[in-house]
Parts: sequence; C-alpha cells; structure tokens
Amino acid sequence: EDQVTQSPEALRLQEGESSSLNCSYTVSGLRGLFWYRQDPGKGPEFLFTLYSAGEEKEKERLKATLTKKESFLHITAPKPEDSATYLCAVQAPSGAGSYQLTFGKGTKLSVIP
Amino acid sequence: NAGVTQTPKFQVLKTGQSMTLQCAQDMNHEYMSWYRQDPGMGLRLIHYSVGAGITDQGEVPNGYNVSRSTTEDFPLRLLSAAPSQTSVYFCASSYSMRGYEQYFGPGTRLTVT
Repeated sequence: EDQVTQSPEALRLQEGESSSLNCSYTVSGLRGLFWYRQDPGKGPEFLFTLYSAGEEKEKERLKATLTKKESFLHITAPKPEDSATYLCAVQAPSGAGSYQLTFGKGTKLSVIP
Repeated sequence: NAGVTQTPKFQVLKTGQSMTLQCAQDMNHEYMSWYRQDPGMGLRLIHYSVGAGITDQGEVPNGYNVSRSTTEDFPLRLLSAAPSQTSVYFCASSYSMRGYEQYFGPGTRLTVT
C-alpha cells in the first residue's frame, strides 16, 4: 500500500528563520511527487512536481528536493505570508492502467513576525 | 481562465436528502477528480474521470455517484446523505492522469445533520 508521511505536523518559525519540511514515501513505481500549499478555507495550490531522485525545483523562498525515499521542502528566510499548510502527494500506478495521487496529512507552517 | 469552479461553497443537508455538487473547468483538461478532506486525514479520492463518458471509483466511492457528459463538467451526486459525509469536497483537473499536476477548485463545505 502506498504511504506518504509528512513531518512535522506543525511548525512555528520566526520570520527569517529557515527550515525544512519532510515528506517520506513508500510507493512502487513513482510517477511524480507533488507539493501543494493550502490556505485556510481554500483549495490546494500547486507548487512543484519532482520526477526523479536528485531533482530540485525552486520558487521564491521555496526549494523542493527529492531522494528515493523522501522529499524536502526548504523554506529560506520565511515571511508571515508563507504561513499555510503544505501538502505532499505521490503518484504511482494503482492498478488497471490507473495512476492516482496519495496525499500526506500536511505540515501546518506558522511564521511569526 | 476561471480554472476550476465549484458550487455551492457551503451546503447543509438533512440525513437522507440528495444533492449534486457542481464542478467545471475551462482548461480543456482530460482528467477530473473529486476528493474529500477530513480533519487529521489526507485528501482522499472519491471518483475520477479520464474523459467524457469515462468514470471510475477511487478510494472512498460509497454513497457517491458521478457522470461526465462533457469535457468541462464533472458533477458529484450524493444519493442519500449521511452524517459521515460531512466534509470538505474538492474537485480537481489535470491535463492527463499520468505525471501532471492537478489544479483544485475552492471547495464545497458540506454538513449533514
């Protein structure tokens, strides 16, 4: 069974204090690993897709990396507007030619001014 | 582009009532899906469609029905609402089922009393 575990569940940072969020996964035949940001009361917003170990993607203060067992979302010098829940999802074959996403439970990030 | 739109935003139902959650996308995406999001759990797939006239079940399909008569629309029907269906429902779409990011709608918050 595909599994995705995100840690920590919640993280409080001071503005400017860099840190990393972790997403560990166990799947057969990874097709892609996706990071989303979700603000309260809204739908998830796509951030990055990573396809193979060693791949990195960057966007403003965010950088996502991928190994064979986990992905990290590095946040450099965060600002209060980076406060949100960050979701990780993996896509892998799920039988009969289907490919579905399995989501982690998310990391709730709070950045304090 | 409006992206993925969902209506209504909020809904309260009594046990046993039926209703349809609407979802539409204007990106000409082949793949559409419905998820539910419950506290402490990751997003879970209810039903999905890989094109007009083609639908299939996800992880938690019981009590829900879907159809896809056009590329743009993918409604979710609750046949006989139960309190266990109280949740936030998200519709998503993607260029293809395999390897592409999904774009999410703003969600429908449903309460069944």
